[in-house]
Amino acid sequence: DVKVTQSSRYLVKRTGEKVFLECVQDMDHENMFWYRQDPGLGLRLIYFSYDVKMKEKGDIPEGYSVSREKKERFSLILESASTNQTSMYLCASSLSKGGRYEQYFGPGTRLTVT
Amino acid sequence: GESVGLHLPTLSVQEGDNSIINCAYSNSASDYFIWYKQESGKGPQFIIDIRSNMDKRQGQRVTVLLNKTVKHLSLQIAATQPGDSAVYFCAENMRRRDDKIIFGKGTRLHILP
Repeated sequence: DVKVTQSSRYLVKRTGEKVFLECVQDMDHENMFWYRQDPGLGLRLIYFSYDVKMKEKGDIPEGYSVSREKKERFSLILESASTNQTSMYLCASSLSKGGRYEQYFGPGTRLTVT
Repeated sequence: GESVGLHLPTLSVQEGDNSIINCAYSNSASDYFIWYKQESGKGPQFIIDIRSNMDKRQGQRVTVLLNKTVKHLSLQIAATQPGDSAVYFCAENMRRRDDKIIFGKGTRLHILP
């Protein structure tokens, strides 16, 4: 079974702090994704990566950056946390094979910025 | 614009009955669709997928139907159980080079005793 783990389930940070959210997958997937999930807005893509040291902006990259130094690890960075970044953050990975694109998700990190 | 949406935000079903969750998509270029289930406090979990060259696919207690003519996708859950209580999302991938998928807003399924 694919396993995607996220470093924290719950996190509380102060406005202006630098925040790191870590994601690790154990199935050698090439693709990794970061989403945020908010009530009424569904899942919105922040950044994604197809390979080590490669990243592409998703739909809402402002205020975020990412790092992928190793294939299994994809980090989301909030350079200076703000209250509007309070949200559930979900990491996912996928293996593009045979035209199937299903993504496997971690349990999520609920981040509160005060 | 591109969108994947659901007809109802909330669906209540009697335990033991069949559930049908609907989804409309707008991009006729989409060629791969997925249904996810998200239970409270957890990440979305893959349920079933279907490619655009099919109109029906069955899994364990679930069936996905695809109607490309009207750009409609549905998830049928047979003999709904309390453990089926969750938010269900449809998602689509458009025929392009990247592996992004676009998620709908979700339908919350309530199981009535």
